[in-house]
This record gives sequence, C-alpha cells and structure tokens, in this order.
Amino acid sequence: EVQVMQSGAEVRKPGESLKISCKGSGFTFASYWIAWVRQMPGKGLECLGVFNPADSYAIYSPSFQGQVTFSVDKSVTTAYLEWSSLKASDTAMYYCTRVTGAYNRFDYWGQGTLVTVSS
Amino acid sequence: DIVMTQTPLSLSVTPGQPASISCKSSQSLLHSDGKTYLYWYLQKPGQSPQLLIYEVSSRFSGVPDRFSGSGSGTDFTLKISRVEAEDVGVYYCMQGIQHPITFGGGTKVDIK
Repeated sequence: EVQVMQSGAEVRKPGESLKISCKGSGFTFASYWIAWVRQMPGKGLECLGVFNPADSYAIYSPSFQGQVTFSVDKSVTTAYLEWSSLKASDTAMYYCTRVTGAYNRFDYWGQGTLVTVSS
Repeated sequence: DIVMTQTPLSLSVTPGQPASISCKSSQSLLHSDGKTYLYWYLQKPGQSPQLLIYEVSSRFSGVPDRFSGSGSGTDFTLKISRVEAEDVGVYYCMQGIQHPITFGGGTKVDIK
C-alpha cells in the first residue's frame, strides 16, 4: 500500500530554522518525484516545487525560490522541506505528495504538517 | 505562469442532483504528446486533497463513476452526476504541463 507520512505540527519563532519530513513507503521511493504544496489558513493550494529524490534535482516555483530548500535521505525514504529563517507569513499547512508521470500527477498525499510561526 | 480560473466559487446542491464546475486555463494544456495535463482534486473538510481525475477525464483508482471530467485546450469541466453527502468539500483544478504548477482558486461544494 502506498503511504506518504509527514512529521507532526511545529511551532517556531520568526527567524528560527525548521525542517519537516515526508516519508514514503509501499513504492520505490527514488523512482518518483515529490511535490510540496502550501495551504495558508483559509486559502487555496500553492505548489512550492517538485523534487527528484534519485538525484536531488529540484524545480522551485519562483515565489518560493530561495525561501525553502528541498532535500532527501534515500536510506530512510524520506524527503525534507527546510527553512533557514522563518517568517510569520510561513504559517500554513504543508503537504507533500508523490508525483507520477512526466507531467505532475500528484497522486498520493501526506496528511499535512501544520507550521505555526509566532513570536 | 498559467492562471487557472474556476467558477463558481461555491455551489449548494440537493443530494441526488447533478453539479458542474468549470475551470479555464490562460494557456492550452495540450502537450505535443497528445495528452492534456489537467487534474481535479477534492479536499474534504479537515483532510488532505485527494486526486479525482487526471489528464482531463481519467478517474483515479477508487473514484466513483459519478465523477467525470471533460474538456480540451483551455476549457474544462468536472461533473458529479448525482451529488452525495460525502462529496462536500473544495474542488481544485490544477495544470501540470508547465512549471510553476498552478491550481485554480477552488470551488466549495456543500449540501442543501
């Protein structure tokens, strides 16, 4: 069974760093790209970008380029989303999703990680 | 960026009645490989989004056949033939042909 499991909710202060995780199981992890999607409170879905765990190649959406970093540890089939200096505006639910096909079918989604940034 | 525009913003439907959601893209989603990379997702209250339809009209595994997708180029439609209580939530279209990947603003469906 394909499963995508994300790490739990986080609370941080502005300026702090954070790394959240997304573990895939039930499929060959390195054979599928991973996408990260943001949902700010009460708002719609925004794609931060997509990431290839096989070679760590990333395509960041322009709005998020330089704001976040994607990474992977293939030994534990886990992808990561990282911030070096959080802002209050980063407060949101973050989803990771498996990507199937060459043109971005987001087929299996994690349960989401709520990130709250507040002083 | 490709802009995805959904209408209506919200829809209130009597159970058993049909519902229809429109999605328009600012550029054609037809690829030279002949496929069109338009997807539909449903986010039920308190849940993650789930894939309903891929490549305009193919239902994802486990999706009931009351859901259907149609359209071409820049104009697309999601139809629910007979709405059930479990269909409430926000529906999003998404284009996957070009980065950055973009979503429509969402259509909230509830039950009358």
